[in-house]
Amino acid sequence: ETGVTQTPRHLVMGMTNKKSLKCEQHLGHNAMYWYKQSAKKPLELMFVYSLEERVENNSVPSRFSPECPNSSHLFLHLHTLQPEDSALYLCASSQDLVLQAEQFFGPGTRLTVL
Amino acid sequence: AQKVTQAQTEISVVEKEDVTLDCVYETRDTTYYLFWYKQPPSGELVFLIRRNSFDEQNEISGRYSWNFQKSTSSFNFTITASQVVDSAVYFCALSEAEQAGTALIFGKGTTLSVSS
Repeated sequence: ETGVTQTPRHLVMGMTNKKSLKCEQHLGHNAMYWYKQSAKKPLELMFVYSLEERVENNSVPSRFSPECPNSSHLFLHLHTLQPEDSALYLCASSQDLVLQAEQFFGPGTRLTVL
Repeated sequence: AQKVTQAQTEISVVEKEDVTLDCVYETRDTTYYLFWYKQPPSGELVFLIRRNSFDEQNEISGRYSWNFQKSTSSFNFTITASQVVDSAVYFCALSEAEQAGTALIFGKGTTLSVSS
């Protein structure tokens, strides 16, 4: 595997379910990100991790819970979601947390909340 | 106010036409970076170019070219002789020192459709 991978690619869940999204980067990067992409809206940064420490949380509802057990893996735990949470969730990584860092994106998880 | 504005929501062209995607940004920082990403139907964003605020030299890469003008706060992207494979959503993004965690601020994207 190369680059940034995400599983699952598609997920349908009910509002009472608990599920997790997984992201793995094979690039040796130190920073990882979760973004939410909804229709007709800009990509929204949700969480940023650098060296496994969370450095940013953009007022994301507590029903989204990130976890970064090591610099290669990032999870997004989901519970009691709402239909408006349906979106494409993108994971990205960069070498470091610097202004000029190019971010490498995974293919995303298409989440549908019923 | 939006920090990155891509006024064109959708553009449709026929193959071999040239097309320019507009991007206007807003920042108070003197040091910042601008990016363009391409998102094909497969979903993952693909990095195209990065420009720092001190380098206004235009850049050409094959059929792609970028015009950075600080005077108008614009960073426009031109595809020459477009091809069907260029069909995608294109995002302009800004990275500025003011944003903790060096987050990328994205525009809403421009959907480009190239027909044969």
